[in-house]
This record gives sequence, structure tokens and C-alpha cells, in this order.
Amino acid sequence: DSGVTQTPKHLITATGQRVTLRCSPRSGDLSVYWYQQSLDQGLQFLIQYYNGEERAKGNILERFSAQQFPDLHSELNLSSLELGDSALYFCASSPGPVNNEQFFGPGTRLTVL
Amino acid sequence: GENVEQHPSTLSVQEGDSAVIKCTYSDSASNYFPWYKQELGKRPQLIIDIRSNVGEKKDQRIAVTLNKTAKHFSLHITETQPEDSAVYFCAAINSGGSNYKLTFGKGTLLTVNP
Repeated sequence: DSGVTQTPKHLITATGQRVTLRCSPRSGDLSVYWYQQSLDQGLQFLIQYYNGEERAKGNILERFSAQQFPDLHSELNLSSLELGDSALYFCASSPGPVNNEQFFGPGTRLTVL
Repeated sequence: GENVEQHPSTLSVQEGDSAVIKCTYSDSASNYFPWYKQELGKRPQLIIDIRSNVGEKKDQRIAVTLNKTAKHFSLHITETQPEDSAVYFCAAINSGGSNYKLTFGKGTLLTVNP
């Protein structure tokens, strides 16, 4: 157990819908990262927050957004969902903003029908 | 943007043999290179990492080497065991200033046969 929690574990929804994925980092970690893992795209970095502020952006679509709250938990919002958004979404946390070991959560499996 | 090539995509070895996985990257400003192990249905876990000012790092049966000139880095696992079977991902990170980039390789499925 990495100490990072994610909810829900599984999510099944329809195209065009909007969902919110939640992540709680390890105690004391200030950075939260979001990743998408699919068979065709592999593991892709989406976005990083550090201490409440967006720090880095990866391959995040405009339909997706995220935020980190004062208690450091983070949410990833996915809207206008498409079939291709079906994937495993991981969040990870680390103590600092860069080049620290990242601890991954168990992931949320999103299925868009 | 950064491109990380990882080879081979699958690797099968006998228990006790060594396994080597190689990654090349394109962004010469990349300065941090972690390796993750992901067992089936589980989360990725960091197994070793190396920073750009170091050429080699070892942790028991696992070692990583970095050649900055050639822009490639490799994971070496010695005396492989069946529990080493997993998908291994390399990553290259450019953490300089506001230009943060993190790119993963496509992964290598390692199978260790008993």
C-alpha cells in the first residue's frame, strides 16, 4: 500500500458524460500527478499540481481539467467523454515538486460505453 | 517534444539469467530517469532511478546505467527470479524551470521462467 488513495475504483459511464476522479496523496506529500494508461497509448503524463498550484502540463486534453484543494487532495474532471477515454487513470504523489520518487495510487478504471 | 524509445517490448529469460532493458531519449535537457515495475493489475512502483550527474547506480540485483552523450539508459537485473516478471517502464524527465516534461517508454514485458 503506497498511502495514495483513489476513488472510485471503477467507473462506467456513457459517451458525452462528465466524471470526476478523486485522489488523496500520501501524508506530507505536496505534489500530485495524474496519468492515463491505455493499451494503445501506454502510460501518459497528464498534469501535475504542487501545493495547490498547477506546476506542469503533459498530454492533457482540453476536455479534461484538474485541481488540487487546500487539503492537498486532487480531482481530475473528464467531460464530453468519448470511447477512447476508456483507460486506467492513476494519480501519484511525491514530497517535492521535481525528481522525487512518485508513489502511485491503485488507479480508477474508466469505461466509456 | 520528448520521445522515449524502449526495447525490447517483450523479454523472456530463464530464472537466474540476467535481463537488460534499454531506453533512448531525444531531449538532451532530460535530467532524471526513473524505472517503474508494474505487475499485472497493480500500480507502477519505482524500482530505481538515476540523475543526469551520475553514470551508474546499483541496488542489490538491480542497476541502471546512463550514457548522456548517447542519450540512452539501461536497466540491468541480475539473478532473475519469477517474481521479477512484470512490465517495466522507463521514463525521462526534464524538470528544468517551467519546461517540465515527463515521457514514459512503451514498456517491456519481462517473463522469468522457473
